[in-house]
Amino acid sequence: DAKTTQPPSMDCAEGRAANLPCNHSTISGNEYVYWYRQIHSQGPQYIIHGLKNNETNEMASLIITEDRKSSTLILPHATLRDTAVYYCIATGIYGNKLVFGAGTILRVKS
Amino acid sequence: SAVISQKPSRDICQRGTSLTIQCQVDSQVTMMFWYRQQPGQSLTLIATANQGSEATYESGFVIDKFPISRPNLTFSTLTVSNMSPEDSSIYLCSGWARNYGYTFGSGTRLTVV
Repeated sequence: DAKTTQPPSMDCAEGRAANLPCNHSTISGNEYVYWYRQIHSQGPQYIIHGLKNNETNEMASLIITEDRKSSTLILPHATLRDTAVYYCIATGIYGNKLVFGAGTILRVKS
Repeated sequence: SAVISQKPSRDICQRGTSLTIQCQVDSQVTMMFWYRQQPGQSLTLIATANQGSEATYESGFVIDKFPISRPNLTFSTLTVSNMSPEDSSIYLCSGWARNYGYTFGSGTRLTVV
């Protein structure tokens, strides 16, 4: 599984877009980029995943660079409830183990 | 997605004793995993629980300390054996199925005194 690196923390104003970067320069061709978040030591919550095309769902958008070496998770209108630790993981899609890095602590402030 | 019920949600245990954590999934999952999250840290994979065979442990984790069972496609247990205060952590299980990807239990917060 490819290693990912993320900034340790970020702040975002409530109502603004939160853009969380992730570097995965060693990602292989069949590995997907997954994003999870963890609020207050609850179980991680799935956000979104993608291979090479940009993806959007009701929670977020995922922008993957053309060379696939980095990606950005976008929360379009951050709320206080989005304060959490966000994890970016690169892994094969078929039941491979998820290896969590340190993640990014996102603090949304009013 | 699948829902995982994890029990107990928290426990306080005496050192030298053992605790078994259970995870029940509301539908069949192909893969199940067990993680440990020490205070203020990220999740660390303990092992992959294999149905009908011995679990596959990650480096630094051994079967004698963390025996795992997985009798069917919806259930797994993790036992933390001969506990010491260093075992105080949150333990989480996870399941994967092709239809809905990965899902996580809500965790077991273990304190060893």
